[in-house]
Amino acid sequence: RKEVEQDPGPFNVPEGATVAFNCTYSNSASQSFFWYRQDCRKEPKLLMSVYSSGNEDGRFTAQLNRASQYISLLIRDSKLSDSATYLCAVNRGSTLGRLYFGRGTQLTVWP
Amino acid sequence: NAGVTQTPKFQVLKTGQSMTLQCAQDMNHEYMSWYRQDPGMGLRLIHYSVGAGITDQGEVPNGYNVSRSTTEDFPLRLLSAAPSQTSVYFCASSSQGQGEEAFFGQGTRLTVV
Repeated sequence: RKEVEQDPGPFNVPEGATVAFNCTYSNSASQSFFWYRQDCRKEPKLLMSVYSSGNEDGRFTAQLNRASQYISLLIRDSKLSDSATYLCAVNRGSTLGRLYFGRGTQLTVWP
Repeated sequence: NAGVTQTPKFQVLKTGQSMTLQCAQDMNHEYMSWYRQDPGMGLRLIHYSVGAGITDQGEVPNGYNVSRSTTEDFPLRLLSAAPSQTSVYFCASSSQGQGEEAFFGQGTRLTVV
């Protein structure tokens, strides 16, 4: 079983829509969780960290469900500029710094 | 703010050639890593290092060597390039604290013909 699994999509949504991505992880000892955004032909950049209590940054909300071992990302009021690939990443904790990445979920927002 | 710097950005190699991809960070991060990214495969870890003088293999280490003589630099060497190594390579660094994000270089697009 892969360490981190994501639905690759693609997700195609109209502007203004709400879209949610899930990411499951296999190791219950995982300690840190992140969502990265990657634009076409660019490097991944941190979108937000995911805390146990969940966190929100504007139109973006990330949540962690330890019992079911998944993290989620909710994007409200989608903008054209949200079109990108979203990667989830998990740190198991046994080697601090080592991140396990999902394959990414591709999002296209159309006008 | 330099962050993580990778060179070169683009490279074309002939099968059998060797080369070194350079990676340097100026954030005094202990942890550095190399990934390759292929369509539909996501980021796959090649090698990583938890500090100067310490390296270890990731998921796909065959055909690659690394060394970490300083905290700042983590070069990736392709010993004898093969077409299967055509990919986009990313270097990343992070602090080793829990919850610390990884910072990526801009990537190297490598084509082996």
